[in-house]
Amino acid sequence: AAGVIQSPRHLIKEKRETATLKCYPIPRHDTVYWYQQGPGQDPQFLISFYEKMQSDKGSIPDRFSAQQFSDYHSELNMSSLELGDSALYFCASRDRGRGNTIYFGEGSWLTVV
Amino acid sequence: QKEVEQDPGPLSVPEGAIVSLNCTYSNSAFQYFMWYRQYSRKGPELLMYTYSSGNKEDGRFTAQVDKSSKYISLFIRDSQPSDSATYLCAMSAISGTYKYIFGTGTRLKVLA
Repeated sequence: AAGVIQSPRHLIKEKRETATLKCYPIPRHDTVYWYQQGPGQDPQFLISFYEKMQSDKGSIPDRFSAQQFSDYHSELNMSSLELGDSALYFCASRDRGRGNTIYFGEGSWLTVV
Repeated sequence: QKEVEQDPGPLSVPEGAIVSLNCTYSNSAFQYFMWYRQYSRKGPELLMYTYSSGNKEDGRFTAQVDKSSKYISLFIRDSQPSDSATYLCAMSAISGTYKYIFGTGTRLKVLA
């Protein structure tokens, strides 16, 4: 079965640089979520999109922005990177037909040096 | 106080033991409840999901929801070393966005 695809899997950036993460949700899933997980932390909700419109916003810094495109893939843009942005970033998509379950990708590891 | 509380562990059990993992929550609007298993540096993997109160069984896993006590549990029978991972509970209210709130995760180690 198709899963949520994230890219890149790993990236290293310097402080003040910009990074872009991509997410391809499972086909026919209508909602995409972005989560940030620091070492030893639980996933923190950043932002979500329902049918390509932003539907909810969590603890996403103003330096970050995201969008969902016409093909339903989503991108998380992070600018002016700080050391504290180093984390695992997950994308997930929702299956309304299966108890509104959400399925996660394998994550993108961002290291800011 | 966090909306979802989960004992971080670590929890160490011998192989074959029954494991009980628990979460409590404060938001009475939560209706969807899930359990995820996460191995180190991997994405959370959906194990069980339940809607509202009750029990659900799937193989060695049983999920329980007690909405009156705002308490959910995941039981693992005949635990195996391969079950060693972090277990996260997640829950959501019925809303247009279905934003899921996660517990901090319980780290489980099953000893061979």
